[in-house]
Amino acid sequence: EAGVAQSPRYKIIEKRQSVAFWCNPISGHATLYWYQQILGQGPKLLIQFQNNGVVDDSQLPKDRFSAERLKGVDSTLKIQPAKLEDSAVYLCASSLGWDRTNSPLHFGNGTRLTVT
Amino acid sequence: AQRVTQPEKLLSVFKGAPVELKCNYSYSGSPELFWYVQYSRQRLQLLLRHISRESIKGFTADLNKGETSFHLKKPFAQEEDSAMYYCALTGTGGSTLGRLYFGRGTQLTVWP
Repeated sequence: EAGVAQSPRYKIIEKRQSVAFWCNPISGHATLYWYQQILGQGPKLLIQFQNNGVVDDSQLPKDRFSAERLKGVDSTLKIQPAKLEDSAVYLCASSLGWDRTNSPLHFGNGTRLTVT
Repeated sequence: AQRVTQPEKLLSVFKGAPVELKCNYSYSGSPELFWYVQYSRQRLQLLLRHISRESIKGFTADLNKGETSFHLKKPFAQEEDSAMYYCALTGTGGSTLGRLYFGRGTQLTVWP
């Protein structure tokens, strides 16, 4: 099966600029996640979608980060304006459904963002 | 609060030696525990989960609720085991249901 697709792979921007990341989950996966992984740390959940609805966005810095999954398939994550501390790898993952017992996460390759 | 602790950032062993990657957790209920692995230039992927009680690539992990640990073990390490390993947990109820909490990871290097 095709895996989770993410683009771009790399992005370098200056602080206060805007950036957007795109994710295409595995076909049929209802649940989509965005994780932020800062260098030297484990991935941290930013937002979780179930189809096109937000399940958990408690860790999303809503003053600058936004995400959408309008048709319940692809998703975009946006940062506006970016700060230096946003430099990280942004991982998208998908799973079949809500119950992780039967639906492990499948991760994309990630987008490495560098904010200068 | 939920927390996953991997005390070793780096771990090196020689080929054929036993290896144990430590993971401790804190969670008020009954979590589900996982090990994820990321090989060089590859994406993060599930290695094993405690509910399956399976051995993947020779690795096993036992959930010890008394010690709140989920250490990953392999009796004879191979060079291809060199990778970054992440321990993770998900809650089984309330706001933690379906949400993965990751440790910071342990970079395992197996020398020839």
